[in-house]
Amino acid sequence: EDKVVQSPLSLVVHEGDTVTLNCSYEVTNFRSLLWYKQEKKAPTFLFMLTSSGIEKKSGRLSSILDKKELFSILNITATQTGDSAIYLCAVEEYGGSQGNLIFGKGTKLSVKP
Amino acid sequence: GAGVSQSPSNKVTEKGKDVELRCDPISGHTALYWYRQSLGQGLEFLIYFQGNSAPDKSGLPSDRFSAERTGGSVSTLTIQRTQQEDSAVYLCASSLDKWNIQYFGAGTRLSVL
Repeated sequence: EDKVVQSPLSLVVHEGDTVTLNCSYEVTNFRSLLWYKQEKKAPTFLFMLTSSGIEKKSGRLSSILDKKELFSILNITATQTGDSAIYLCAVEEYGGSQGNLIFGKGTKLSVKP
Repeated sequence: GAGVSQSPSNKVTEKGKDVELRCDPISGHTALYWYRQSLGQGLEFLIYFQGNSAPDKSGLPSDRFSAERTGGSVSTLTIQRTQQEDSAVYLCASSLDKWNIQYFGAGTRLSVL
């Protein structure tokens, strides 16, 4: 069963729209949740979240974690075509056998001009 | 180095041949990870190296897959007797140590004909 589930799997919006990407997780020994942006091949780090309710912000991107309901959202405001990418959510787990990051399948975002 | 470097960027091989994929991590990073990303799938953990400790091989899908890390730096992932289902992007990541942010290389796209 998938431990990290992202939704939607794909999304098409127009420039200027605001989007919300979702990530829910189910792990035993949660340590942190990370968001990455993947254009072409190399995922690039966006945010690491460890505490509930504290928003992390970088420009037009922001993210928040809810450790009680076991989910995180990634918001992108005033989207641009350069935001088109796959957004990956990963959960870091203490004592896990899968290295220490468990990834969701990603959300493919397409921003049309 | 400036970032994680992987080579080759693309590899086309015939079924049954052996391939070697190389990863040069960020200088000073003690932790190194290999992941596999198949079409439409999230990143699948393969193997993890931490310093001079024995690697965590729990993600390797079969005994055709092996990896080594020489001198605590460069790593090589070897796939013997390649099969068509091995076609994927193989991503390498490194981090300062186990509980730090993982930084990814651009990956090697392997195509097995």
